Amino acid sequence: EAGVTQFPSHSVIEKGQTVTLRCDPISGHDNLYWYRRVMGKEIKFLLHFVKESKQDESGMPNNRFLAERTGGTYSTLKVQPAELEDSGVYFCASSQARVWEQYFGPGTRLTVT
Amino acid sequence: KNQVEQSPQSLIILEGKNCTLQCNYTVSPFSNLRWYKQDTGRGPVSLTIMTFSENTKSNGRYTATLDADTKQSSLHITASQLSDSASYICVVSGGSYIPTFGRGTSLIVHP
Repeated sequence: EAGVTQFPSHSVIEKGQTVTLRCDPISGHDNLYWYRRVMGKEIKFLLHFVKESKQDESGMPNNRFLAERTGGTYSTLKVQPAELEDSGVYFCASSQARVWEQYFGPGTRLTVT
Repeated sequence: KNQVEQSPQSLIILEGKNCTLQCNYTVSPFSNLRWYKQDTGRGPVSLTIMTFSENTKSNGRYTATLDADTKQSSLHITASQLSDSASYICVVSGGSYIPTFGRGTSLIVHP
C-alpha cells in the first residue's frame, strides 16, 4: 500500500511568487490534513478535509493560503503571494475513520527568499 | 492555551543504552496522546497511541507511559540502536481532534 506522497519535496521561490503544493493521501482515506512546521517551532495544524469538504480551516494563517481537494482525492495548497514567513516544512497527513491515526507524508520544504 | 512541552530538547547516548524522553501537556479535555518518530527528511511515523484509560503501551523496544492525573507521558527506549537516531514528537489531542504538537526531542545514538 502506497503511503502519503507530497510534491515537490523542496521548493525555493522569491517573495511575491506563487507556489502550489500537492498531497496524495493513502487510497481510501477520506480525511486529509495539512500541517506546517516553521523552523525552530512545533508542527501546527492548518486545515482538515473530509472528502472534498473543508471540515476545519481554523489553522490557516491568512487568505494568501488556499487549499482545495477536488473530487475528494488529492489536495493542493496554494500560497499566493508568498512571504518570507511562509518558509517551513508543509506536511500532509491522511486517515480513515479514526482521525487520530494519521499517516504523514514526507513533507514539502518551502523556502521563500 | 493548549501546550505540549518535551524534554530534553536533545539527547546523545551510546548504542545499546536505554533512555527516557518526557512529555508534559496542558491540553484539556484530554482525548489521546501519541508518540511519533521522525527521521531526517521524512514525515512523522506513529509509535504509540494512548487514550485516557491506558497508562502504558509498548511497540517493540519502545514503551510509552501516561499519567493523566499529572498530565505527563514518557517514552522509554530499550537497548538503543543506531537507527533510533531521530526526532521524537509527543502529540496530544483534546476535545477537538486538532492535535497539539511538542517541539520534539532530538535523539542521537552513537556507536
